[in-house]
Amino acid sequence: EVHLVESGGGLVQPGGSLRLSCVASGLTFSSYEMTWVRQAPGKGLEWISYISSSGSVIYYADSVKGRFTISRDNAKNSLYLQMNGLRAEDTAVYYCTREDRLVVDYWGQGTLVTVSS
Amino acid sequence: EIVLTQSPGTLSLSPGERVTLSCRASQSIVSNYLAWYQHRPGQAPRLLIYAASARATGIPDRFSGSGSGTDFTLTISRLEPGDSAIYYCQQYATSPQYTFGLGTKLEIK
Repeated sequence: EVHLVESGGGLVQPGGSLRLSCVASGLTFSSYEMTWVRQAPGKGLEWISYISSSGSVIYYADSVKGRFTISRDNAKNSLYLQMNGLRAEDTAVYYCTREDRLVVDYWGQGTLVTVSS
Repeated sequence: EIVLTQSPGTLSLSPGERVTLSCRASQSIVSNYLAWYQHRPGQAPRLLIYAASARATGIPDRFSGSGSGTDFTLTISRLEPGDSAIYYCQQYATSPQYTFGLGTKLEIK
């Protein structure tokens, strides 16, 4: 069974940084594209970043471009999101997801990031 | 950007009833690349339907999806208390920059 477990969330001051991690199990991690999706309190789901199976193709939503960096380590079955220059509007639950032939078929339970002074 | 509008926003039904949730797109979705997810509080969202009408692995046949172009529906029959959740539609025609609807909150009591 596929499991995705996020970690690294917490409370950070505006302008600060955090690094989220997602460890995958039950799948051949290196075969799958992965994404990060977030949900701000009381808001809908927002796709924020994508990385191809090899890591060679990366996309970002405009809302995080230039501040967030997605990466992966296939040897460690891990996905990362480096978040710099955090703003109050980045407060959200961040989900790691797997894509299979365009379909997002598995999600983690999410990790909460709170940006506040 | 394709905007998805879900309706109704909230509804409350009884066990055994049947419900149809709506998802309308601001423009036609290529190849009916439309998925539905169930999100229970504190749990990971779960894929129910992809390609508008294909059930994901392990999803019971009480859940069915239909539609094409700009209008899609998710029907849940024989409602159970465990079906209480928020249901989201998502278009992935513009993958990987896909978009979600705001969700329909379903309460079974």
